[in-house]
Amino acid sequence: GEDVEQSLFLSVREGDSSVINCTYTDSSSTYLYWYKQEPGAGLQLLTYIFSNMDMKQDQRLTVLLNKKDKHLSLRIADTQTGDSAIYFCAESKGGNQFYFGTGTSLTVIP
Amino acid sequence: NAGVTQTPKFQVLKTGQSMTLQCAQDMNHEYMSWYRQDPGMGLRLIHYSVGAGITDQGEVPNGYNVSRSTTEDFPLRLLSAAPSQTSVYFCASSSSDEQFFGPGTRLTVL
Repeated sequence: GEDVEQSLFLSVREGDSSVINCTYTDSSSTYLYWYKQEPGAGLQLLTYIFSNMDMKQDQRLTVLLNKKDKHLSLRIADTQTGDSAIYFCAESKGGNQFYFGTGTSLTVIP
Repeated sequence: NAGVTQTPKFQVLKTGQSMTLQCAQDMNHEYMSWYRQDPGMGLRLIHYSVGAGITDQGEVPNGYNVSRSTTEDFPLRLLSAAPSQTSVYFCASSSSDEQFFGPGTRLTVL
């Protein structure tokens, strides 16, 4: 299958920026996604980016895509305690099959 | 719209027991899938369906059966539960560019 990799843990102080990184192997991916999973809940789509874009901004969230290096990042500005969750990177080719990374557990320290 | 619903939320089984995890969606999506989530391994695809009457295997199909008799429902069956199937199970349905997840079923096999 496809290989999507993330670091497992990240800790930041409240008010700082968080940057969660993801690498993928399939250069034919059409869409790249970030999902958020709060404790005991399912995954919620945060944002996604088309593979022909380099950046997408949505309020406190900034997604950067480096297609050459197959690297995707999610920056959360002014991180709050409510941002503590597991963040999953995922890719698809637009054919309904999604491939997920291992998830990054973000802890926000008050 | 209820979105994607799953029942039960929690289940404890003994080794060798069988059970069915229920999943339903009311968004008229053709594509549905089942994942299991294990610590440090992200989401792994078990089975998926591209429409009523059509199912296919994902990354980790062994020990699980599925059927898709209607667009709305996609049950996952464990014929003879094993401790290795202790996990959190997520059902999802998707349009062409977004996947919607159910709240999950936490299954423990003793």
